[in-house]
Amino acid sequence: DSGVTQTPKHLITATGQRVTLRCSPRSGDLSVYWYQQSLDQGLQFLIQYYNGEERAKGNILERFSAQQFPDLHSELNLSSLELGDSALYFCASSVRQGGQETQYFGPGTRLLVL
Amino acid sequence: GESVGLHLPTLSVQEGDNSIINCAYSNSASDYFIWYKQESGKGPQFIIDIRSNMDKRQGQRVTVLLNKTVKHLSLQIAATQPGDSAVYFCAEGFNDMRFGAGTRLTVKP
Repeated sequence: DSGVTQTPKHLITATGQRVTLRCSPRSGDLSVYWYQQSLDQGLQFLIQYYNGEERAKGNILERFSAQQFPDLHSELNLSSLELGDSALYFCASSVRQGGQETQYFGPGTRLLVL
Repeated sequence: GESVGLHLPTLSVQEGDNSIINCAYSNSASDYFIWYKQESGKGPQFIIDIRSNMDKRQGQRVTVLLNKTVKHLSLQIAATQPGDSAVYFCAEGFNDMRFGAGTRLTVKP
């Protein structure tokens, strides 16, 4: 158990809909990262938040957005869903120690868009 | 563009043998590399990392080797066990971490 929690575990929805994925980082971790893992694209970095502020952006679509709240939990919002958005969405949290930063991943949310 | 890639998509080894999983990267400025293990239905799990000022780092039954000259990274697992069966990813970078496609390791009893 990494200490990172994600809800829901599974999500089935229809095209055009909007969903929110939730992540709670490990206690004390200030950074939260979101990743998308699909069969044809592998693990893709989407976005990082650090202590409530956006820190880095990867291959995140404009239809997707995220935020990190004062209690450090984070939400990833996916809107106008398309079939191709079906994937595993992982959240990871990290803390920098001794110049290195190790990310610990949650169990993921499996999204299926029908 | 820059990429992180893997040499083989699958690797099958006999229980007790050593496993070597390889990874190539293209960004010569990369200075931090990580190996992750992902078991079926779970998120990636950190195994070991290495910074570019090192060429070898050892953990428990695992060793990571970094060859900056040819931009190659490898993960060696000693005395491979059935519980080592998983997909292994190399990744590079800090904030904007880039992952390789993964190698599926299968351990035969």
